[in-house]
Amino acid sequence: GESVGLHLPTLSVQEGDNSIINCAYSNSASDYFIWYKQESGKGPQFIIDIRSNMDKRQGQRVTVLLNKTVKHLSLQIAATQPGDSAVYFCAEKGGGKLIFGQGTELSVKP
Amino acid sequence: GAVVSQHPSWVICKSGTSVKIECRSLDFQATTMFWYRQFPKQSLMLMATSNEGSKATYEQGVEKDKFLINHASLTLSTLTVTSAHPEDSSFYICSARSSGRAGETQYFGPGTRLLVL
Repeated sequence: GESVGLHLPTLSVQEGDNSIINCAYSNSASDYFIWYKQESGKGPQFIIDIRSNMDKRQGQRVTVLLNKTVKHLSLQIAATQPGDSAVYFCAEKGGGKLIFGQGTELSVKP
Repeated sequence: GAVVSQHPSWVICKSGTSVKIECRSLDFQATTMFWYRQFPKQSLMLMATSNEGSKATYEQGVEKDKFLINHASLTLSTLTVTSAHPEDSSFYICSARSSGRAGETQYFGPGTRLLVL
C-alpha cells in the first residue's frame, strides 16, 4: 500500500517550549491536509486542517503552515505541555483517500 | 462531534481462524468507510475504501480474499481477517466520512488490536 511505514523519528522538548513538527508530502495534486495526534493504543485524533489555497491556519495553541512549492507541511505547538506527548501524523488527501505520512513522536519533558 | 466505534477493542485468536471487526458511526451516516492497518512504531497504511452498498476498493498489495470488507449499511462496516496468521497481528483502525457534513473530515475509531498466536 501507500505510505510505506518507517520507524518514527522523535522530537523531545521541554515543557513550555514551542514544538515544530515537520512533514513532507508526496502528491502535488493533494488539496487538503490534516494533522492528527495519536496517543498510545488509540485512534488518530483530529488537530487542525488546511486547504491547498492557504499557507497558514491557526487554532488553539497550534498553527499549521503549508509550503506547496516544496511540498512541506509543519505543525507548531505553542507552550508544549506533557499532555501533548503523542505521535503526530500529517495526512494528505488526494483522489478521495487520506494518506498518512510517517509520523513524529513528541516527548515533552517536565 | 462525530463518534466512530470499533468492536472488539482487542482480540486474540489462534492461527487459521477468522476474526471479524466491526466499525460503526454512532451519530452520523457514513457513505464511505476506510480501513487502515498500523504496525508498531509505524504509520497508518490504508488497506481499503468501502462505499455503502458496493464492493470495497483495495489498495495495492492488500489481498481482498484475505481481508473481507462489508459495508451493508450507512452506519456499519465490517472487516474480516480470514485464516489469520501471526503476521496479521496489528492494530486495525477504521475511519468514516459523513455524507451530510462538509464531506472532508474523516472520523477515526479507537482501533482494534489483533494478536494471532
